[in-house]
Amino acid sequence: GNSVTQMEGPVTLSEEAFLTINCTYTATGYPSLFWYVQYPGEGLQLLLKATKADDKGSNKGFEATYRKETTSFHLEKGSVQVSDSAVYFCALSPNAGNNRKLIWGLGTSLAVNP
Amino acid sequence: EAGVTQFPSHSVIEKGQTVTLRCDPISGHDNLYWYRRVMGKEIKFLLHFVKESKQDESGMPNNRFLAERTGGTYSTLKVQPAELEDSGVYFCASSRAGGLREQYFGPGTRLTVT
Repeated sequence: GNSVTQMEGPVTLSEEAFLTINCTYTATGYPSLFWYVQYPGEGLQLLLKATKADDKGSNKGFEATYRKETTSFHLEKGSVQVSDSAVYFCALSPNAGNNRKLIWGLGTSLAVNP
Repeated sequence: EAGVTQFPSHSVIEKGQTVTLRCDPISGHDNLYWYRRVMGKEIKFLLHFVKESKQDESGMPNNRFLAERTGGTYSTLKVQPAELEDSGVYFCASSRAGGLREQYFGPGTRLTVT
C-alpha cells in the first residue's frame, strides 16, 4: 500500500542553521509528492510539490527533490529563520484515476531560536 | 477569494452525543475532502466529494460517521454517537476540478469527546 515515513521531531535549530527533514515513501505507480506546513494557529498550507521523478519543488527558500531511486523527498533549507517555526508534513497523492486523496507522514515540529 | 472555512473551531461533547461539523469550500471548487488527525498519529483521509457525489469514502472509520454535501456546496460531517476515540482535529480541503489541483485547507475543527 501507500505510506509516508517522516523523521520524528521536534527539531530545534538556531537561526541561519541548515535544515533537513527526511521523508521517504512507499507507493505503487507514480505518485505526486508534497510538503505542507502548518504555522502556529493557522491551517495547512502547501509549501511545495513535485509530480514526477527528478522534479525539484521550491518555495520560500525550501527545496525538495523527488528521488524515485531512493523513494525520498527530503525537505531542505539553507538558512532557517525564526518565522519558519512550524509543523511540516510530507504527503503523497497516489494519482490513481480521479482519486487525489493525500496520504500523510506524522509531521515534524520545527522550532527556530534567535 | 474567501478560503475554506470550518465550523465550529472547537467542540467538546460527551460520549454518546451527536456532533455535526461543517465545511464551506472555496466557491467553485468541485472537490471537497475530509481528513482527521488523531493526537500523536498522522493525518488520515476520510472521504472525497466531487460536487455532491461521494468519489471515495474508503477512509470513513465506521457507520457512526455520515458525510453529506447537498447541492455540491458546503459539506457536513456528523458523528453519532460520538466515542472517545473520535477526538481529534478534523480538516476539510477543497480543490478545483481536473488534474492534480492544489488542495486548500480549512483551519480545522478540534473535537474533544469526554
